Amino acid sequence: DGGITQSPKYLFRKEGQNVTLSCEQNLNHDAMYWYRQDPGQGLRLIYYSQIVNDFQKGDIAEGYSVSREKKESFPLTVTSAQKNPTAFYLCASSLGLGAEAFFGQGTRLTVV
Amino acid sequence: GENVEQHPSTLSVQEGDSAVIKCTYSDSASNYFPWYKQELGKGPQLIIDIRSNVGEKKDQRIAVTLNKTAKHFSLHITETQPEDSAVYFCAASIRGIYDYKLSFGAGTTVTVRA
Repeated sequence: DGGITQSPKYLFRKEGQNVTLSCEQNLNHDAMYWYRQDPGQGLRLIYYSQIVNDFQKGDIAEGYSVSREKKESFPLTVTSAQKNPTAFYLCASSLGLGAEAFFGQGTRLTVV
Repeated sequence: GENVEQHPSTLSVQEGDSAVIKCTYSDSASNYFPWYKQELGKGPQLIIDIRSNVGEKKDQRIAVTLNKTAKHFSLHITETQPEDSAVYFCAASIRGIYDYKLSFGAGTTVTVRA
């Protein structure tokens, strides 16, 4: 089955720890994105990548980092510098910038 | 940057009635307006989209209208069914420019009462 897979579905982190969220797609899409979703708010763009080894900051990149070493993978690291990391994180991919975006099932991160 | 406002935040309708969600955008250069449906615990799924050169688009029970002059667009769901219950997001972007970015509304929680 083609699709976009995020793991894990639920993640708990202690304050001060970095944590990495996985996102893999087998759709052969060039572009990938990370969004953050908070209750009562729309999705906000954290980072996006158009091609391998290239990525750009979105609206709320502070406290986050990404890498794009492979076309299929776009992991997101939530660092200890992120002041309020508890949220629902969504990864998406598209054939290219501006094409229809397909979303993964999300990872719910809770800082304890 | 683009600012998208979405209303109402919650909407309860009787099964079989229509539901309408409205969004306004700020950047007149925006030319692509998708609508996403998000079911509980899942990622959003594109249900319909419209480009700025079109005023209306329909897909079975779902339709979207766009008023470029007023900078607002709306989602219409007719003959609502229980499976239409979900959170709906509107979005806007400027396609065709390298710096692609979708700006989302805050979402509307739709509940269809049986």
